Amino acid sequence: GAVVSQHPSWVICKSGTSVKIECRSLDFQATTMFWYRQFPKQSLMLMATSNEGSKATYEQGVEKDKFLINHASLTLSTLTVTSAHPEDSSFYICSASRDSANSPLHFGNGTRLTVT
Amino acid sequence: RKEVEQDPGPFNVPEGATVAFNCTYSNSASQSFFWYRQDCRKEPKLLMSVYSSGNEDGRFTAQLNRASQYISLLIRDSKLSDSATYLCVVFSGGYQKVTFGTGTKLQVIP
Repeated sequence: GAVVSQHPSWVICKSGTSVKIECRSLDFQATTMFWYRQFPKQSLMLMATSNEGSKATYEQGVEKDKFLINHASLTLSTLTVTSAHPEDSSFYICSASRDSANSPLHFGNGTRLTVT
Repeated sequence: RKEVEQDPGPFNVPEGATVAFNCTYSNSASQSFFWYRQDCRKEPKLLMSVYSSGNEDGRFTAQLNRASQYISLLIRDSKLSDSATYLCVVFSGGYQKVTFGTGTKLQVIP
């Protein structure tokens, strides 16, 4: 069964609104979670690394004030797309791994965001 | 040079063929390696870990060559259902530094 749960699976919102996406590790604690974005026919792009109890680390070119990340517990990280615009429409995926070497990444099932 | 590189393909192979993908990595201190499969519009799913001694899971064989800094994935007797994008994932500096290849697209044709 799934070990990382992501919610919602899809969302349609109007331009200017904010959207929150949740990522939960179901049966393990994850100090670190990752957020990705994938546009059609393109590869996964890492947006940020979410660290429990501290600020997220954003990749170059990703606006931290636009994509707010909160990792308040060892099993939950949230990504909020603030003031969404149509160009933010994409497939957003989170991942986490158990805090041990050689543990693979487990991905959430992704959130398909459409901003109209 | 990218940290992790893959040939994007597409690799178009007939059913029953054997196909191999390579993935090169630049960080010699990289510790863990994995192959993932991603279907269109879906999240990546773990296919197999890659161990130093090489490992096999049914029709799939993964190998690691630390000297040349690449990992490989061999698929035997390709099925139509193997059509997907195959991503290599490299962990460096512990479990917090994760780097993806761009993926190799495989299309198995009847």
